[in-house]
Amino acid sequence: GAVVSQHPSRVICKSGTSVKIECRSLDFQATTMFWYRQFPKQSLMLMATSNEGSKATYEQGVEKDKFLINHASLTLSTLTVTSAHPEDSSFYICSARASGFSYEQYFGPGTRLTVT
Amino acid sequence: AQKITQTQPGMFVQEKEAVTLDCTYDTSDPSYGLFWYKQPSSGEMIFLIYQGSYDQQNATEGRYSLNFQKARKSANLVISASQLGDSAMYFCAMRRGNYGQNFVFGPGTRLSVLP
Repeated sequence: GAVVSQHPSRVICKSGTSVKIECRSLDFQATTMFWYRQFPKQSLMLMATSNEGSKATYEQGVEKDKFLINHASLTLSTLTVTSAHPEDSSFYICSARASGFSYEQYFGPGTRLTVT
Repeated sequence: AQKITQTQPGMFVQEKEAVTLDCTYDTSDPSYGLFWYKQPSSGEMIFLIYQGSYDQQNATEGRYSLNFQKARKSANLVISASQLGDSAMYFCAMRRGNYGQNFVFGPGTRLSVLP
């Protein structure tokens, strides 16, 4: 089946630094990737949608200058949290939709970010 | 706007019994897809079952079945013969259109299977 990986699985960074999270589709091409954020005991909230080769579309309330998304290839999207603060600590999950018609999104295992 | 409601924050079920997790949705789109995902404590989202808005029959996948009542806008998940490994968070989600992109998730239901 389709596999999506995320790296790193866990990261701890100091306040004010930036951290990059990678999302890769391992065995299929993903024209569209999605980034979600999940706070403890809450549901997933869509942050942004990225299409290969174009700018990401951010959901209302998500700061595009703080959460930089790059989808440079059909198998890789990155999320960079810039100038991280403790309130950015969360579980970040990406998902990917295969090229062509597909009703399914394939989720990565998630990245737990802790900002100290 | 699309919205998913899961009114059961937590559910308990005895091992080997069946359990129904409720999901209602709100959308004005004629075409949409409904999904159920399982999220164990490790965090990964595991796809369980899918129902398209034009599907005539209720979806089934092994021990999972989806009780789709379009007029009531409900898409309840039925897990038969519960197992201890079924203990997890369960999310109902909706996607606009048959091949649209945006997913909206419900708040989730935590299922605990008792031995």
